[in-house]
Amino acid sequence: AQKITQTQPGMFVQEKEAVTLDCTYDTSDPSYGLFWYKQPSSGEMIFLIYQGSYDQQNATEGRYSLNFQKARKSANLVISASQLGDSAMYFCAMRLNNAGNMLTFGGGTRLMVKP
Amino acid sequence: ETGVTQTPRHLVMGMTNKKSLKCEQHLGHNAMYWYKQSAKKPLELMFVYNFKEQTENNSVPSRFSPECPNSSHLFLHLHTLQPEDSALYLCASSQPGTASEAFFGQGTRLTVV
Repeated sequence: AQKITQTQPGMFVQEKEAVTLDCTYDTSDPSYGLFWYKQPSSGEMIFLIYQGSYDQQNATEGRYSLNFQKARKSANLVISASQLGDSAMYFCAMRLNNAGNMLTFGGGTRLMVKP
Repeated sequence: ETGVTQTPRHLVMGMTNKKSLKCEQHLGHNAMYWYKQSAKKPLELMFVYNFKEQTENNSVPSRFSPECPNSSHLFLHLHTLQPEDSALYLCASSQPGTASEAFFGQGTRLTVV
């Protein structure tokens, strides 16, 4: 069974600084997708970025980039130039492409941006 | 707005009540999901529907009963719940067979008293 681990329950970052949120995963399946979601206090899960297991390059979406290290089974999220509105819970998730469409989530990291 | 709408946003119910949560999406997706998010626990997948057929029941107690009348609507019927069932219930949808992300609703905050 697949497993996602986020080892940082909470993180602080100074506004305008960059921050890295850690995510490691465990699967023996070669075909999978990795996702990051943001959950503000309103509760909605907002999709940020996606990385496929066969993608050669790290995914980037605006201020978000994914540091994908396949051999180490890590998919860390890097947020550049943090903004106050980035304060939220961040979840890493994985989907096995050959086992349905279900996302398995990590425990999340609460990011707090300091002014 | 992600295109997935959940109602109600908040619900307080007694242990003997029967209530239903509703989820609606008009994204043309054919897979819909219920997740439970409790405090200090990872999101737990409860049910999966693909093309209106239930394909996953993640050992959920029978006091939770899902219903998917069509590919745009998903319900979660609740009866004789326990206080430990208090949580945020999130609905999501996605398109099977693609690498696309799942879109989530804003959730229903359920409190069982």
